[in-house]
Amino acid sequence: AQSVTQLDSQVPVFEEAPVELRCNYSSSVSVYLFWYVQYPNQGLQLLLKYLSGSTLVESINGFEAEFNKSQTSFHLRKPSVHISDTAEYFCAVSDRGGKLIFGQGTELSVKP
Amino acid sequence: GAGVSQSPSNKVTEKGKDVELRCDPISGHTALYWYRQSLGQGLEFLIYFQGNSAPDKSGLPSDRFSAERTGGSVSTLTIQRTQQEDSAVYLCASSPQFSGGIEQYFGPGTRLTVT
Repeated sequence: AQSVTQLDSQVPVFEEAPVELRCNYSSSVSVYLFWYVQYPNQGLQLLLKYLSGSTLVESINGFEAEFNKSQTSFHLRKPSVHISDTAEYFCAVSDRGGKLIFGQGTELSVKP
Repeated sequence: GAGVSQSPSNKVTEKGKDVELRCDPISGHTALYWYRQSLGQGLEFLIYFQGNSAPDKSGLPSDRFSAERTGGSVSTLTIQRTQQEDSAVYLCASSPQFSGGIEQYFGPGTRLTVT
């Protein structure tokens, strides 16, 4: 069975500071990995995904995540956060059958 | 184009009543997923449709929960004899056939409150 652990439930950070949201997964098969974002009072949106190939994947708004197979991790990073990045972030894994298994979520709170 | 839509956006019901939640996927998307987001359990997979068939129902929490999909489009999630623990946001997602579920587009959800 697959599982996802997000190590931090809440991450407060000041604007323009770097941030890392941690995600570890457990699976006995090859997986796809995802980060989804949920802004306040909005639906889930795909932020970035790892399917194969380069282990470093990037989003259009400056986030990046690195797939580390040996550590079974897929941590999300941003070198300089904005107030508008305040949201809940979910790491997820799929076994290629389509259904997503989500972590518990990390609430990123960016303060001025 | 239009995204995934869900109705109603909010539903308050009394314990013991039945409810139906509707999902309209993006036109042409053959795969459809239901998830539930609750405070205690986070985001959980419920059921997956490919066309009108449901190859994976493993996430349905009890036999009070059922879902169907007709015409390869609209899906309805039905909860019978609702309980307070059913209170949650129910999310629907759809996916194009070619993506194998990689590209899941989520609707805004239905917030269900059981009193």
